[in-house]
Amino acid sequence: QSVLTQPPSVSEAPRQRVTISCSGSSSNIGDNAVSWYQQLPGKAPKLLIYYDDVLPSGVSDRFSGSKSGTSASLAISGLQSEDEAVYFCSAWDDRLNGPVFGGGTKLTVL
Amino acid sequence: QVQLQESGPGLVKPSQTLSLTCTVSHDSISSGSYYWSWFRQPAGKGLEWIGRINASGNTNYRPSLKSRVTISVDTSKNQFSLRLSSVTAADTAVYYCASSVAGTSSFDYWGQGTLVTVSS
Repeated sequence: QSVLTQPPSVSEAPRQRVTISCSGSSSNIGDNAVSWYQQLPGKAPKLLIYYDDVLPSGVSDRFSGSKSGTSASLAISGLQSEDEAVYFCSAWDDRLNGPVFGGGTKLTVL
Repeated sequence: QVQLQESGPGLVKPSQTLSLTCTVSHDSISSGSYYWSWFRQPAGKGLEWIGRINASGNTNYRPSLKSRVTISVDTSKNQFSLRLSSVTAADTAVYYCASSVAGTSSFDYWGQGTLVTVSS
């Protein structure tokens, strides 16, 4: 069972917008920055968002992140078929003294 | 751009020690303030952080694995390594190495991952 809670799956039509939620606690999201990763089938995770809402160089601005209290969200606008992947949230956990992850959300572009 | 590549046996017998190495390319493992981490991901499941090390050899381990894990660094070879002892089938997973800037909790570069199966 993952420390951070994400919905197992979401789906939306092409060109639409989808959001993925991530719920944690005061020892992780509530006190530390959130990151988001995209994992394509058979591939390594790719950093999409860090420091809650910052995009690394080269990441499309169709991706955006936000955080409020002990929850965070990833939004993807203008959905494309290439966005079909599993998305993970992560944050440092003060009790573990290490990073914790959500169980991942599989995005299907209908 | 920094590249990481895992290497090691894909099959380990139960009770034996799993050993993997991550080779860092296009940057020195000693440059900047980086931490070098190991993760694993069982099939169809989420990511689990195993532990990390910096170029000075300072380590942090996941508490539940601490008694079985050793992470070491060889700056002369630009590599860092993972040893996990007394493995069982529950340790079967894809193992990844990754880097993070010290003071941050985001992992910007990842290896491609290597599948390690624990089976007799």
